Amino acid sequence: GQSLEQPSEVTAVEGAIVQINCTYQTSGFYGLSWYQQHDGGAPTFLSYNALDGLEETGRFSSFLSRSDSYGYLLLQELQMKDSASYFCAVRDQAGGFKTIFGAGTRLFVKA
Amino acid sequence: DARVTQTPRHKVTEMGQEVTMRCQPILGHNTVFWYRQTMMQGLELLAYFRNRAPLDDSGMPKDRFSAEMPDATLATLKIQPSEPRDSAVYFCASGLVGLEREQYFGPGTRLTVT
Repeated sequence: GQSLEQPSEVTAVEGAIVQINCTYQTSGFYGLSWYQQHDGGAPTFLSYNALDGLEETGRFSSFLSRSDSYGYLLLQELQMKDSASYFCAVRDQAGGFKTIFGAGTRLFVKA
Repeated sequence: DARVTQTPRHKVTEMGQEVTMRCQPILGHNTVFWYRQTMMQGLELLAYFRNRAPLDDSGMPKDRFSAEMPDATLATLKIQPSEPRDSAVYFCASGLVGLEREQYFGPGTRLTVT
């Protein structure tokens, strides 16, 4: 089967750093994406890793280890507006778009 | 400001009625996806199209759901007949071949079937 595992909830304090992990088991792998979704809103793209290593985009970074089938999203200098759900997603079809989403991690940022 | 649009934003209907949801992808995008989101199942891919041709609809209940792209600016998702278990938020997303890293989601249609 195909599955993505991520924690259901994470709580952190404003200004802190938080890491959201994602492990995957899929028939193929061609990239790991991260999306943010606020309550009542649509998912928006944050970051993508196709190769091992760290990708940095402002306060957000994403890491991938293909040998471990593992990735994480790192959020630095947390702000209240970062309270949202974060989804990891695997693209499992070369040259295609078929994407499998994890169940999402609800991040609560406290003052 | 390019964005995916979806109509209607909200739909309440009775069981057995037909429901049609529409999506206008970002101009120039050549791949369109339909997702369903519920608390229990999360985000599920129902179908996706490339250059208006259906590539995969294995996630869609075939007996009642159908998805089409009559032209490059319109994608439709129909449910006939609708059932209470179809209640969910339906998202359309579009993307570009060659930029598979990200998909652009519309605001969603919140469907309630009573």
